[in-house]
Amino acid sequence: DAGVTQSPTHLIKTRGQHVTLRCSPISGHKSVSWYQQVLGQGPQFIFQYYEKEERGRGNFPDRFSARQFPNYSSELNVNALLLGDSALYLCASSFFPHTEAFFGQGTRLTVV
Amino acid sequence: QKEVEQNSGPLSVPEGAIASLNCTYSDRVSQSFFWYRQYSGKSPELIMSIYSNGDKEDGRFTAQLNKASQYVSLLIRDSQPSDSATYLCAVNNAGNMLTFGGGTRLMVKP
Repeated sequence: DAGVTQSPTHLIKTRGQHVTLRCSPISGHKSVSWYQQVLGQGPQFIFQYYEKEERGRGNFPDRFSARQFPNYSSELNVNALLLGDSALYLCASSFFPHTEAFFGQGTRLTVV
Repeated sequence: QKEVEQNSGPLSVPEGAIASLNCTYSDRVSQSFFWYRQYSGKSPELIMSIYSNGDKEDGRFTAQLNKASQYVSLLIRDSQPSDSATYLCAVNNAGNMLTFGGGTRLMVKP
């Protein structure tokens, strides 16, 4: 069975640009969460979606937004990119919001 | 502030020894507890989950949870050089979000 897949794996953007990151959950999983991981730190929670509804939002500015589609895939959008947005963006899927979460390989975003 | 605390390490153990990784959390309503392993440049990989007080064993790994002390630990028996990685403790509170500690870097020396 395919695990969580994220695209793209690497991305370089310029300050002020917009980026869209995509995630396909494990088949049967209805919950998708997004995390940002800066080098040397643990992942920080950004959003959680379950059954296409937002179930949680972390302490991130409104430049960050996300949605979940009818097939349970998800995308994370970041507007007006800042240098500080450079990080590894992780998507995790689970059956339910509180159950075991499995991560994709991540998208490495570099803002220059 | 809901926090998860880990010693950043590095924790160095000889091959074949037991590695003991510790984690404390501040939110008393936390319900689910997870250990992830993360190799350099890779994404976190789930290795253990624990939901109730006591010990849970899976192969060479044992997770221990003490909700009264707000403490969760991971023991790795017969440590191998391939176990060298950063181990992340994650706690799921009633809000359903995972809060991660900063991770402990484990080095297993041959």
